[in-house]
Amino acid sequence: AQSVTQLDSQVPVFEEAPVELRCNYSSSVSVYLFWYVQYPNQGLQLLLKYLSGSTLVKGINGFEAEFNKSQTSFHLRKPSVHISDTAEYFCAVSDHSSYKLIFGSGTRLLVRP
Amino acid sequence: NAGVTQTPKFQVLKTGQSMTLQCAQDMNHNSMYWYRQDPGMGLRLIYYSASEGTTDKGEVPNGYNVSRLNKREFSLRLESAAPSQTSVYFCASSEARPNTEAFFGQGTRLTVV
Repeated sequence: AQSVTQLDSQVPVFEEAPVELRCNYSSSVSVYLFWYVQYPNQGLQLLLKYLSGSTLVKGINGFEAEFNKSQTSFHLRKPSVHISDTAEYFCAVSDHSSYKLIFGSGTRLLVRP
Repeated sequence: NAGVTQTPKFQVLKTGQSMTLQCAQDMNHNSMYWYRQDPGMGLRLIYYSASEGTTDKGEVPNGYNVSRLNKREFSLRLESAAPSQTSVYFCASSEARPNTEAFFGQGTRLTVV
C-alpha cells in the first residue's frame, strides 16, 4: 500500500519569493506522482504529474516538481509566487497497477503582499 | 463542456436522516470516485467504480453506499447520517489507466446536526 506525507500544513510566503512544498511518499512498488491544487471553494485540478523519464517535471502556472527516488520525495517549487497562488496543494500517488489516487493531507500556501 | 457535476452543492441534515449525493460526468470516463475532505486529513477515498457495473470500497466506506447507475452517473448514499459524516464530498472521474489525470467536481458541503 502507498502513503503520502506532506509535512507542512501551512506555508506563508511573501509575494515574489520562492517557495517549496514538500511531499514524501512510501511504496514498495513503482509509483506515479501528482500534484493537485484546490482554490477556495473549488474542486481539485491537476498541476503536474510524474510518470517516467526526466525527474524534473514542469506544470501549469510556473510550478515544477522534482522526483527523487532515493529520498522518495516529490517536492513542488515555484521561483516567484503571486497572490493568486494562494490555495491548498495536494500531493498524490498511484501505483502502476491501480488508478486509485492516494492523497496527502495537503499544504495551504498563503501568499502575502 | 461541464466536466464533473455534483448536486447539491450544500446540504444540512439531521442525525438519522438519509440522502443521496448525485454525480455525473460527460467525458466518457470509465472510472468514477467518491472522496471526502476533512481538515488536516486531505482527501480519503470512500468508494470507487472502475467501470460501469462495478463498485469497490475505498479507505473509509462505512456508513455509505454507492450506485453506478450508468457510465455517466455515480451516486453516494448516506442511509442514516451521523455528525461524523460532516465533510466536503468530491466526486471525480478518470480514464481507467494508472497514469491518468482525475477530474473533480466542485464538491458538496454536507453538515449533519
